[in-house]
Amino acid sequence: QKEVEQDPGPLSVPEGAIVSLNCTYSNSAFQYFMWYRQYSRKGPELLMYTYSSGNKEDGRFTAQVDKSSKYISLFIRDSQPSDSATYLCAPLTPGGFKTIFGAGTRLFVKA
Amino acid sequence: DVKVTQSSRYLVKRTGEKVFLECVQDMDHENMFWYRQDPGLGLRLIYFSYDVKMKEKGDIPEGYSVSREKKERFSLILESASTNQTSMYLCASSLEGKALHFGNGTRLTVT
Repeated sequence: QKEVEQDPGPLSVPEGAIVSLNCTYSNSAFQYFMWYRQYSRKGPELLMYTYSSGNKEDGRFTAQVDKSSKYISLFIRDSQPSDSATYLCAPLTPGGFKTIFGAGTRLFVKA
Repeated sequence: DVKVTQSSRYLVKRTGEKVFLECVQDMDHENMFWYRQDPGLGLRLIYFSYDVKMKEKGDIPEGYSVSREKKERFSLILESASTNQTSMYLCASSLEGKALHFGNGTRLTVT
């Protein structure tokens, strides 16, 4: 079993839609949960991260962690064509040194 | 802004060749990482370094080695390139291990 499972998509939505991107993980010791965004032909960039369970909001983006079910979500409100990218969920291993990446979900937002 | 520069965007090498991938960061980060990215598999950690001349194996170190002679430079070496090492290689650096700053990748093809 992979440590982090993520549906690769692709996910195609119309502009303005609410997008939900999800991951599950197996290691209950994970405490930090990162989301990276990767545009085509670019390296990933950190979008946001949360610590332990709960929600964190940053503009149109909300990251949510449910440690009881080992479920990580990223919500994008009012999605824009510029949000078209691959989104990678990435928990940090205990001790904070290694990042474990999901396979990434490819998102297309159509104008 | 942190800048992580990878020396080549595209590289084509022959089976058996020794290959050097170079990475330079300009933010005095202690930690540097090499990942490879393959469709459906996400990013997998090859090697990382938390200090000059220090290196640690990641999850898939076989067939690779690294060198870190200076703080800003981290090199990945393929001792004898094989076709299964055809991939996108991503270098990253971090200050405290949480937020990874990536370069734009080197797409290596081994024929």
